[in-house]
Amino acid sequence: DAKTTQPNSMESNEEEPVHLPCNHSTISGTDYIHWYRQLPSQGPEYVIHGLTSNVNNRMASLAIAEDRKSSTLILHRATLRDAAVYYCIRAGSQGNLIFGKGTKLSVKP
Amino acid sequence: EPEVTQTPSHQVTQMGQEVILRCVPISNHLYFYWYRQILGQKVEFLVSFYNNEISEKSEIFDDQFSVERPDGSNFTLKIRSTKLEDSAMYFCASSPFPGQGIGGYTFGSGTRLTVV
Repeated sequence: DAKTTQPNSMESNEEEPVHLPCNHSTISGTDYIHWYRQLPSQGPEYVIHGLTSNVNNRMASLAIAEDRKSSTLILHRATLRDAAVYYCIRAGSQGNLIFGKGTKLSVKP
Repeated sequence: EPEVTQTPSHQVTQMGQEVILRCVPISNHLYFYWYRQILGQKVEFLVSFYNNEISEKSEIFDDQFSVERPDGSNFTLKIRSTKLEDSAMYFCASSPFPGQGIGGYTFGSGTRLTVV
């Protein structure tokens, strides 16, 4: 059980920002929030992770709600290469990554 | 950038045969994982491995499956007596720490197993 809820699909226009939502209302205080993506015919790829504070890296930003029951992955300028399935995953300190169905992001030129 | 390497990229085997899927994790990582993805379905956890023993396994990982780190660099998944339903993409992953990790898990490109 992935214990996160994401929309099945989203669309974006190239060079526009994308906000991918995730609900994890039963998250425990020690669970990290991970985001991975899977491009067609490839293995999952780490995007970003965080615990409480918002996080930024070269790929994306992660905005975590104050109550930690939801988070949003932000791609600042979508490119065609960002078209992928994006997975939001809860991970405990000793737990393994359990993937759900994710959000399939389509990017239109 | 360090990579997780998996071989072969594609393996075709006859039903009932044994297969060994090979992985070379990132050298300073301590935790190793196998996942599989049946075509069109989600990525499923099989097993995690740390300190030369299984840490956790899913209900998919039954007696047909085994893992081994034979030489300190390779990490293998053996499937005995393969079945048609074992056809899937198998992904190896490694991480420096479990769960939250630092930089997360790194996945390989996968081995596509086709059982005929």
